Amino acid sequence: TQLLEQSPQFLSIQEGENLTVYCNSSSVFSSLQWYRQEPGEGPVLLVTVVTGGEVKKLKRLTFQFGDARKDSSLHITAAQPGDTGLYLCAGGATGTASKLTFGTGTRLQVTL
Amino acid sequence: NAGVTQTPKFRILKIGQSMTLQCTQDMNHNYMYWYRQDPGMGLKLIYYSVGAGITDKGEVPNGYNVSRSTTEDFPLRLELAAPSQTSVYFCASSYRGRGGSVGQPQHFGDGTRLSIL
Repeated sequence: TQLLEQSPQFLSIQEGENLTVYCNSSSVFSSLQWYRQEPGEGPVLLVTVVTGGEVKKLKRLTFQFGDARKDSSLHITAAQPGDTGLYLCAGGATGTASKLTFGTGTRLQVTL
Repeated sequence: NAGVTQTPKFRILKIGQSMTLQCTQDMNHNYMYWYRQDPGMGLKLIYYSVGAGITDKGEVPNGYNVSRSTTEDFPLRLELAAPSQTSVYFCASSYRGRGGSVGQPQHFGDGTRLSIL
């Protein structure tokens, strides 16, 4: 069974601070996705990375896929209250009907 | 576009009752999934389907059943509700072309919050 561990589990920071969320596994994934989930809603895709070492930027969010495709990180610069939510990483493997293995989640709260 | 629609949004069941959670998508996606999300946890896959008439078990299928008679609909049935099935249930869909692809996004509904007392 493939497992994805996220750290930290909870993060409470003030507006303007930087933060990094980690997603680690002992398994190799063909792709790694990051989702954000707000209360009462389903997860929404932020980004997909598929190549080892790949870095993608989405405004103030920077995503990196580890060289060995076993881990990923999400870095937020100058966090804003609108970044508040549950961040989930999800790993995909080839030949698995596009099934995803979800991480344990990181709950982020950004206060003024 | 409605995307993925789940009904009902909330439900309270008594132990031993049965119910069907409805899921429909209007994006002509071939793949559909059911997940459960327990407090403080990520999502666990219950069942999935790669097309009409084809379903398969995920990580936590016990106590659930599914069917996929059309591309659009993928209902999840609980036959004998148990307190351990109290959770938030999410339905999702994605599209995979004939050539196959990596990292296709999954589109989620807003969930059904189910309590079993």
